[in-house]
Amino acid sequence: DGGITQSPKYLFRKEGQNVTLSCEQNLNHDAMYWYRQDPGQGLRLIYYSQIVNDFQKGDIAEGYSVSREKKESFPLTVTSAQKNPTAFYLCASSIYGSDQPQHFGDGTRLSIL
Amino acid sequence: AQSVTQLDSHVSVSEGTPVLLRCNYSSSYSPSLFWYVQHPNKGLQLLLKYTSAATLVKGINGFEAEFKKSETSFHLTKPSAHMSDAAEYFCVVSDRNTGNQFYFGTGTSLTVIP
Repeated sequence: DGGITQSPKYLFRKEGQNVTLSCEQNLNHDAMYWYRQDPGQGLRLIYYSQIVNDFQKGDIAEGYSVSREKKESFPLTVTSAQKNPTAFYLCASSIYGSDQPQHFGDGTRLSIL
Repeated sequence: AQSVTQLDSHVSVSEGTPVLLRCNYSSSYSPSLFWYVQHPNKGLQLLLKYTSAATLVKGINGFEAEFKKSETSFHLTKPSAHMSDAAEYFCVVSDRNTGNQFYFGTGTSLTVIP
């Protein structure tokens, strides 16, 4: 069954700690994305990748980092430099092209201890 | 620049009555437009998409949307609301000028009253 898997579903971060959110897809999609969702603000783009070993910053990349070593995987690290990391994080993938819909994972909810 | 405005942050309807969720967009080129639905603590699911074919687009679960270029609108409708339609709905725009980026509206929360 094809889809996107995000893990963990819930994650807690201590002050000064980096945490990594996992995103794996088996849809053979070239493009992958990370979004942050806060109440009343819709989805904001953190990073996106159109091809392996390449990625671009989105609108709110500060305090985050990514890697794209494999087509199937696009992990997001929330660093200690991100001062307000509490949010719902969504990973998506798509076939390359502005007319292609995105497929979303079920998200990871990150909270600060 | 590309942008999306969802005109209502909250919409309440009675079960069995029509649903209208409004979306206006801004795009420099021929846009691609999408509606997604999100249930609590879940990812987004595609309802329908417009990509320069027929202006009236039919989607899943009885939803449809009409692309009106003159009004730069892409409103989502459903003839009869069901309790299971209660969710958050997002309108999204992209075009060939944005590369592979998509621009999301801030969402409309739909409440269905029994």
